[in-house]
Amino acid sequence: DADVTQTPRNRITKTGKRIMLECSQTKGHDRMYWYRQDPGLGLRLIYYSFDVKDINKGEISDGYSVSRQAQAKFSLSLESAIPNQTALYFCATSDVGANEKLFFGSGTQLSVL
Amino acid sequence: GESVGLHLPTLSVQEGDNSIINCAYSNSASDYFIWYKQESGKGPQFIIDIRSNMDKRQGQRVTVLLNKTVKHLSLQIAATQPGDSAVYFCAENAGYSTLTFGKGTMLLVSP
Repeated sequence: DADVTQTPRNRITKTGKRIMLECSQTKGHDRMYWYRQDPGLGLRLIYYSFDVKDINKGEISDGYSVSRQAQAKFSLSLESAIPNQTALYFCATSDVGANEKLFFGSGTQLSVL
Repeated sequence: GESVGLHLPTLSVQEGDNSIINCAYSNSASDYFIWYKQESGKGPQFIIDIRSNMDKRQGQRVTVLLNKTVKHLSLQIAATQPGDSAVYFCAENAGYSTLTFGKGTMLLVSP
């Protein structure tokens, strides 16, 4: 079983729809992250959470929100999806004291039409 | 090496050759660096890391070199194999909360 699991793996939606991407982990890590990947632009941080009561904006948080439901679960929402949010989304985790070393899920490919 | 823009830099090598992937980082305060490998359809995977108090670190078939004077990082892969074909990202941490990733280099290995 994967240590960091993202659902769904693929999603196609329409402009204006609300979308939730889910992430769960079995690594026991306190820290969780959502990244977005666009061709040629690398990975950009959307939101991150260092524990259940902690939520922080990343580089590109506009248009997104997150919820840390439990230590093991961190979801990303697009309240009203737009086409330029079409991208590959990754959830990642890291351990306290080693927050630089990230462990990634397999990604969710989101297409907004 | 890595660069700004929509086109991913590509390095093409023959199987058995040594590969060198370069990365120029931006923050002189960065003190920790990581290389990740991303295969098609998968998330990035950790390869090797190095702290700023070192200039070289070796792993299995991989070596990372750090030149703080010119803010340059390189990943050397010995005896490159077709399974090494992937996109490689460098990432830096300046002691803040999170990593900053480079834009990636695609490595293509021909049999």
